[in-house]
Amino acid sequence: KQEVTQIPAALSVPEGENLVLNCSFTDSAIYNLQWFRQDPGKGLTSLLLIQSSQREQTSGRLNASLDKSSGRSTLYIAASQPGDSATYLCATGTYKYIFGTGTRLKVLA
Amino acid sequence: GAVVSQHPSWVICKSGTSVKIECRSLDFQATTMFWYRQFPKQSLMLMATSNEGSKATYEQGVEKDKFLINHASLTLSTLTVTSAHPEDSSFYICSATRTSAEYEQYFGPGTRLTVT
Repeated sequence: KQEVTQIPAALSVPEGENLVLNCSFTDSAIYNLQWFRQDPGKGLTSLLLIQSSQREQTSGRLNASLDKSSGRSTLYIAASQPGDSATYLCATGTYKYIFGTGTRLKVLA
Repeated sequence: GAVVSQHPSWVICKSGTSVKIECRSLDFQATTMFWYRQFPKQSLMLMATSNEGSKATYEQGVEKDKFLINHASLTLSTLTVTSAHPEDSSFYICSATRTSAEYEQYFGPGTRLTVT
């Protein structure tokens, strides 16, 4: 049974810092891994999708990497801004997703 | 492209009544739709997977007689919460995949259900 864990559970950083969010999964037989952000009381915003054959994806200040063999993905956020404050979720699996536990990020101005 | 809508965005109902939530893919045909539930300060939990014209597959611990899912067309799936109780109050989110060969999920904006 797939289990997805995110570390840290919460993170508070000053504006401008580069930061790394971690996502670990127990079953490497995945089709893809997707990163989302969720603002309080809102739905999900898809950030990056990494297919199982890919190693990384980039969008603006975001870079996500995938290491299937070790069951890990990282989301790198460069030059963090207060607007990045949100909960970040990773999800992975085969035809269906299992979501991680989430990382609540607060970027201080 | 790949937009998914949900209706309503929020609903309040009385305990013991039923409420229906719609999930639509607006610009693509969805081969598979998923329903998730999210309690406050928790992550999303998959409730069920549905394919058009087939019975939904429910995750362990989800009552199929309480959460009725109908996937009547390639663009519409509905979730009906029957005999709702306050503990059913939650954020319900649906998602859809475009083809059987593509597994990226496109998520709706969610429906907040409050049972009084």
